[in-house]
Amino acid sequence: GAGVSQSPRYKVAKRGQDVALRCDPISGHVSLFWYQQALGQGPEFLTYFQNEAQLDKSGLPSDRFFAERPEGSVSTLKIQRTQQEDSAVYLCASSLASERYSNQPQHFGDGTRLSIL
Amino acid sequence: DAKTTQPTSMDCAEGRAANLPCNHSTISGNEYVYWYRQIHSQGPQYIIHGLKNNETNEMASLIITEDRKSSTLILPHATLRDTAVYYCIVRDTGFQKLVFGTGTRLLVSP
Repeated sequence: GAGVSQSPRYKVAKRGQDVALRCDPISGHVSLFWYQQALGQGPEFLTYFQNEAQLDKSGLPSDRFFAERPEGSVSTLKIQRTQQEDSAVYLCASSLASERYSNQPQHFGDGTRLSIL
Repeated sequence: DAKTTQPTSMDCAEGRAANLPCNHSTISGNEYVYWYRQIHSQGPQYIIHGLKNNETNEMASLIITEDRKSSTLILPHATLRDTAVYYCIVRDTGFQKLVFGTGTRLLVSP
């Protein structure tokens, strides 16, 4: 079956530009997560949605980062006024997990590699 | 911070079993142990998870000690395609995010 799909796979932007990264979760998955992975490091949590509600945004590094999931399916991570330190792979994951059945595993897409020049 | 400790790297010969250890001595009663792996340029791939019983699926087996302070992921017949970074993660059922450590880099050689 179809997995988590992310687009674009690669994005190059100039410092100061705004970027938008898209995530299509597995159909029917309630929970959606964004992670950031710097080169040589493990992924780090950014934010979490349950349906359209953003329940945890504690990992967003600054107010330049904004995520939305307006209809509880596709999600977009937006970074405004990009800086060089934003260069990383941005991973999206989805899960059947809800507050009641939260031991369901997360399934990841292959990420968007963002390079800020 | 990650709640697990894993060796930085391990080697395994193709066709042999790969046994990847993980220490999680501070695990609490409602925390599950999850294993993921990440092959270069791909997203993390879910392998297996468990609470206290041993688990097996088509990819691997998970052995959790009786005191739950450590676990071992077993790939019964490693292939070259199993070369990856393997992450052991513990997660409370009340919290959704995964906290990744540095993982174990497994190299499977011919």
